[in-house]
Amino acid sequence: KNEVEQSPQNLTAQEGEFITINCSYSVGISALHWLQQHPGGGIVSLFMLSSGKKKHGRLIATINIQEKHSSLHITASHPRDSAVYICAVRPGSNYQLIWGAGTKLIIKP
Amino acid sequence: EAGVAQSPRYKIIEKRQSVAFWCNPISGHATLYWYQQILGQGPKLLIQFQNNGVVDDSQLPKDRFSAERLKGVDSTLKIQPAKLEDSAVYLCASSLGGQGSTDTQYFGPGTRLTVL
Repeated sequence: KNEVEQSPQNLTAQEGEFITINCSYSVGISALHWLQQHPGGGIVSLFMLSSGKKKHGRLIATINIQEKHSSLHITASHPRDSAVYICAVRPGSNYQLIWGAGTKLIIKP
Repeated sequence: EAGVAQSPRYKIIEKRQSVAFWCNPISGHATLYWYQQILGQGPKLLIQFQNNGVVDDSQLPKDRFSAERLKGVDSTLKIQPAKLEDSAVYLCASSLGGQGSTDTQYFGPGTRLTVL
């Protein structure tokens, strides 16, 4: 079983829909990252969380440390949000990131 | 602020040939990472440098892969000889802090390698 599981693997939605991508992990962590990767492009860090909730524009990330679960939400989704969204966790201060396989999101106009 | 630079962006070689990738991290960033991302998978850390020293190279296939970060700034990753399974995107990232830091990693655009 992977230590970081994302769901769904693939998600297709219509423009304007509210999007939720989930990440569950099985290890204790010091931080969790949400990253975005566009086709043919580099990876952009969206959020780094250790507790609670963060918001940036139409993106919201939440984390529940007790349940070992995080969600990334996109409000009023737009075709330019189409990308792969990756969850990565850091198990401890001296450990490397453990990466999820990513969720491929397609927003249709 | 300039981002992480990588070159080349694309490279196509035949198996058994050699290839080298270059990365210039964000100025002042102590930590530099090389990742390998195979299509459909998350990135896999190959090697992590802090300044010019190696912090972690446990997943680097040392029989064919090598990396260096002379002077603690730019870094090169080399594959010699390449195999078909090395076809992937090679991502370079940098972060401000040292070992154990939870700093955000900033990624370059990647080099897409195709081995024929």
